[in-house]
Amino acid sequence: EIVLTQSPGTLSLSPGERATLSCRASQSVSSLYLAWYQQKPGQAPRLLIYGASSRATGIPDKFSGSGSGTDFTLTISRLEPEDFAVYFCQQYGSSPWTFGQGTKVEIK
Amino acid sequence: QVQLVESGGGVVQPGRSLRLSCVASGFTFSSYGMSWVRQAPGKGLEWVALISYDGSKEYYADSVKGPFTISRDNSKNTLYLQMNSLRAEDTAVYYCVGVGGGTPPYWGQGTLVTVSS
Repeated sequence: EIVLTQSPGTLSLSPGERATLSCRASQSVSSLYLAWYQQKPGQAPRLLIYGASSRATGIPDKFSGSGSGTDFTLTISRLEPEDFAVYFCQQYGSSPWTFGQGTKVEIK
Repeated sequence: QVQLVESGGGVVQPGRSLRLSCVASGFTFSSYGMSWVRQAPGKGLEWVALISYDGSKEYYADSVKGPFTISRDNSKNTLYLQMNSLRAEDTAVYYCVGVGGGTPPYWGQGTLVTVSS
């Protein structure tokens, strides 16, 4: 099983700042099958990035994904109030699919 | 427009059964692998089961292997999850997810299953 470890657990930032979230895998992940999600309380996960770096439909370009192998990064270039949420990474290239434990981006 | 609509959730007593359904539209369902993912209250996301595009292969998380069965009916664009011997730990929102080669994963809005006496 591929274990995904996200860091930091919580990121305290101010609106306008840049957020950098990390997702590290215990073994190599195919970039084709690495995704990032945003989730707000009471809502379903919202797909932001798939294939490690492709933005999903309707996702603004302030969100970007990068990385390969075992290290992946989600960057939010300038935080807006609606971006404060929990973010998960996921690999779905091998069974079992696995998810990171999440990074909470909170208002400082 | 892609849509995945789950149904069948509700409150059920421990030890009883429940069947979830997920109706797909807006994409070629029969070409996509389909999964169930769940999220217990206040917890992270947990993959539950996966079925290949043609139904020939099934995979399960260790936590549900045995009591849960995933299936699909491509003629009805529908995915199922039969859940038997339910336990309190199975309480969660259950999402269906579709994946195809090179395309983004598609998620439904989820259906809540509560196992309680």
